[in-house]
Amino acid sequence: NAGVTQTPKFQVLKTGQSMTLQCAQDMNHNSMYWYRQDPGMGLRLIYYSASEGTTDKGEVPNGYNVSRLNKREFSLRLESAAPSQTSVYFCASSEVMGGNQPQHFGDGTRLSIL
Amino acid sequence: GDSVTQMEGPVTLSEEACLTINCTYTATGYPSLFWYVQYPGEGLQLLLKATKADDKGSNKGFEATYRKETTSFHLEKGSVQVSDSAVYFCALRRGHNDYKLSFGAGTTVTVRA
Repeated sequence: NAGVTQTPKFQVLKTGQSMTLQCAQDMNHNSMYWYRQDPGMGLRLIYYSASEGTTDKGEVPNGYNVSRLNKREFSLRLESAAPSQTSVYFCASSEVMGGNQPQHFGDGTRLSIL
Repeated sequence: GDSVTQMEGPVTLSEEACLTINCTYTATGYPSLFWYVQYPGEGLQLLLKATKADDKGSNKGFEATYRKETTSFHLEKGSVQVSDSAVYFCALRRGHNDYKLSFGAGTTVTVRA
């Protein structure tokens, strides 16, 4: 049972570099999410995709873009990385948005921007 | 706006001790409440949930009761094990059709043998 798979697990970037974080789920879920986790702040939603073909901004979208490539995959792109984007990034999915459907999380990508 | 406040950690306990992690919330309407657990090196997992006032969520020996009068959802376990060492997050979803989960800052719990 793979669930939600994120790649890479760790990455170090220099300021100004770009990179894409990959996320794939094998649970046939409709909705997918990207969060960042910072010490003392819990998780904050960056972007979400309610269903294939749609994406919307969350709480902290600045500096990021997303692509819902197909039902399984939802990628997060940093076009020009900044030290403030050093964080742990989590992808999550749920069967549908809202309701009492739990979100299933990947193991995270630890990203450091120097 | 909606917010969740958790007791600050870290919390260190001996095996078989009682654990309580306080969580209070601010929200309009009737939110659903959740506790998520994050084991070292892993993502978050749903531990338990409650969707209306006076509901009690329970799982793996943990319990939490949705108290609307005190806007609280405290997590409790009567006898912890080393394997309960993790970070615990309280979260709320405002309404049935709302996508957004608002998380507390997390409480790190370490259980010593």
